[in-house]
Amino acid sequence: DAEITQSPRHKITETGRQVTLACHQTWNHNNMFWYRQDLGHGLRLIHYSYGVQDTNKGEVSDGYSVSRSNTEDLPLTLESAASSQTSVYFCASSAASNEQFFGPGTRLTVL
Amino acid sequence: DQQVKQNSPSLSVQEGRISILNCDYTNSMFDYFLWYKKYPAEGPTFLISISSIKDKNEDGRFTVFLNKSAKHLSLHIVPSQPGDSAVYFCAALPTSGTYKYIFGTGTRLKVLA
Repeated sequence: DAEITQSPRHKITETGRQVTLACHQTWNHNNMFWYRQDLGHGLRLIHYSYGVQDTNKGEVSDGYSVSRSNTEDLPLTLESAASSQTSVYFCASSAASNEQFFGPGTRLTVL
Repeated sequence: DQQVKQNSPSLSVQEGRISILNCDYTNSMFDYFLWYKKYPAEGPTFLISISSIKDKNEDGRFTVFLNKSAKHLSLHIVPSQPGDSAVYFCAALPTSGTYKYIFGTGTRLKVLA
């Protein structure tokens, strides 16, 4: 069965460190998205991609970057982790404008 | 500026009764609306959707109503079950050709046995 996976599921890091969160989907979807979920804010879009070599900024992109070298993967990198980036991160994928399929999430704590 | 709003952060309902979750939006240029359900420690899962050209869509115990003049969306769950206890997010897709959904802040539903 097709799926979308995220790793690690939990991560604790220190301020200033570079962190990369992995997202892998086997749906063969062109569209991939990264969100963060925080209390009182719901799901906010960080970055998204509509295909290989395509990346775009979302509403809360500062301090984050992504790259899309193949259809299956969209890793999210925190260049220099900050305590404000402590959150739960969700990756999602979709085909065209259909519903998005979400991964299980990564809980990131920045100390 | 929050374009999609869920003004009730939480809702408690007795098992067997109706749950009504509400969502308001400020932008008329939305093409498609969806509801997602999220359990703790899991990713959101798609529940039901509605096109902007319709005013109702039903799927089993779940019905979504769209009132375009009021810019209001609601999800009805009848009858509510304890397994429905979760956080519910509404989302809207703009007509601009983008595939980016705009999500509300979520409503935590608790169904009491």
